[in-house]
Amino acid sequence: DQQVKQNSPSLSVQEGRISILNCDYTNSMFDYFLWYKKYPAEGPTFLISISSIKDKNEDGRFTVFLNKSAKHLSLHIVPSQPGDSAVYFCAASALRGYGNKLVFGAGTILRVKS
Amino acid sequence: GAGVSQSPSNKVTEKGKDVELRCDPISGHTALYWYRQSLGQGLEFLIYFQGNSAPDKSGLPSDRFSAERTGGSVSTLTIQRTQQEDSAVYLCASSLGLAGSEQFFGPGTRLTVL
Repeated sequence: DQQVKQNSPSLSVQEGRISILNCDYTNSMFDYFLWYKKYPAEGPTFLISISSIKDKNEDGRFTVFLNKSAKHLSLHIVPSQPGDSAVYFCAASALRGYGNKLVFGAGTILRVKS
Repeated sequence: GAGVSQSPSNKVTEKGKDVELRCDPISGHTALYWYRQSLGQGLEFLIYFQGNSAPDKSGLPSDRFSAERTGGSVSTLTIQRTQQEDSAVYLCASSLGLAGSEQFFGPGTRLTVL
């Protein structure tokens, strides 16, 4: 039973355009959401997060939107750059729970074409 | 070192053998997590340590899997009598252990069971 779903296995975008990566979750106990970026042969690196008390968080070219009623979040990258090509994982956590373990989606491979 | 390190980076073993995977977290991080990523899947939580104790072992897939942490630092994940379905990348992460603390990941150990 996947609690965090990334339904698009891959996405291809032209350099300079917007990349939109989507994520859905089912567990209403989740109250903290994160995006991680992963290059081959490296561990995931934290990109941006959002608490359930917000609906938007922005950091430079990266913005995460949260729609709690739809249990949906998205990551927008504007403008996309070739160096953004990587696997992007959506993750969720219940801060009220113990240990803050992360529940991950299966990932979306982003390819930014120059 | 400054980041989370894991060893070995690659491990090939025969079915039925035992393996030990090691994780060195960031100095001062009290929380340590083990995840694994099977082919085409997202990261799957295995176990969480706070200090030397493991309050959440809910992700360990069978009793062939065990982990320990000593001195509040290094952790070892042991898989006994390995099976082919154990083949995956095993990732370790550490954090300050506070609610919402960023988890920093190591590069992972790629385990292949023949």
